[in-house]
Amino acid sequence: EVQLVESGGGLVQPGRSLRLSCTASGFTFGDYTMSWVRQAPGKGLEWVSFIRSKAYGGATQYAASVSGRFTVSRDDSRSIAYLQMNSLKTEDTAVYYCSRERTTVSTGAFDIWGQGTMVTVSS
Amino acid sequence: DIQMTQSPSSLSASVGDRVTITCRASQSVSNYLNWFQQKPGKAPKLLIYAASDLHSGVPSRFSGSGSGTDFTLTISSLQPEDFATYYCLQSYITSALPFGGGTRVEIK
Repeated sequence: EVQLVESGGGLVQPGRSLRLSCTASGFTFGDYTMSWVRQAPGKGLEWVSFIRSKAYGGATQYAASVSGRFTVSRDDSRSIAYLQMNSLKTEDTAVYYCSRERTTVSTGAFDIWGQGTMVTVSS
Repeated sequence: DIQMTQSPSSLSASVGDRVTITCRASQSVSNYLNWFQQKPGKAPKLLIYAASDLHSGVPSRFSGSGSGTDFTLTISSLQPEDFATYYCLQSYITSALPFGGGTRVEIK
């Protein structure tokens, strides 16, 4: 079964750091671009970041709201994508989803999603 | 930055109704437009990619159309399981992938 499972969420104080993990199974993880998408409580979806496969240079991209604070990475040997979140702000409070592209070359067609992990930034 | 504007933000409809949701981009995105459905407390699901291609397993009552800046998601005959929030997402400009604001489809 193709599956994504996020972990690492929790309660963190403003200014601190947190690392989220997205563990994949059921497909060749290294072939796909992986994205992070978040949703603040009661709000809409916000794309956060993506990391392309090694075949596409492992290129990364970030939303302006997190650029310079968040870093996406991947460990293809373990089928895990990471989102390192530094200098967290209260407005980063959200459910964070990881997602997979529908094909190895597509962008934005997220066909597989994890269940999400909640990040709460509060003092 | 490219902006995606969905309309309406919410609508009320009955089972069997034809429903149309619009997504407008602030600049051309060719056909790089995707539609998602999200139910409360659940992860989104891909419905339509490349503006009009139906994702595997999605019922044929869902369809997408448009190119350039104006796009439409249509549900031909609304079913009880279709009450949800729908989002568009452009993927032509890959330096940022903004979602639309969402359209909540409620039971009339």
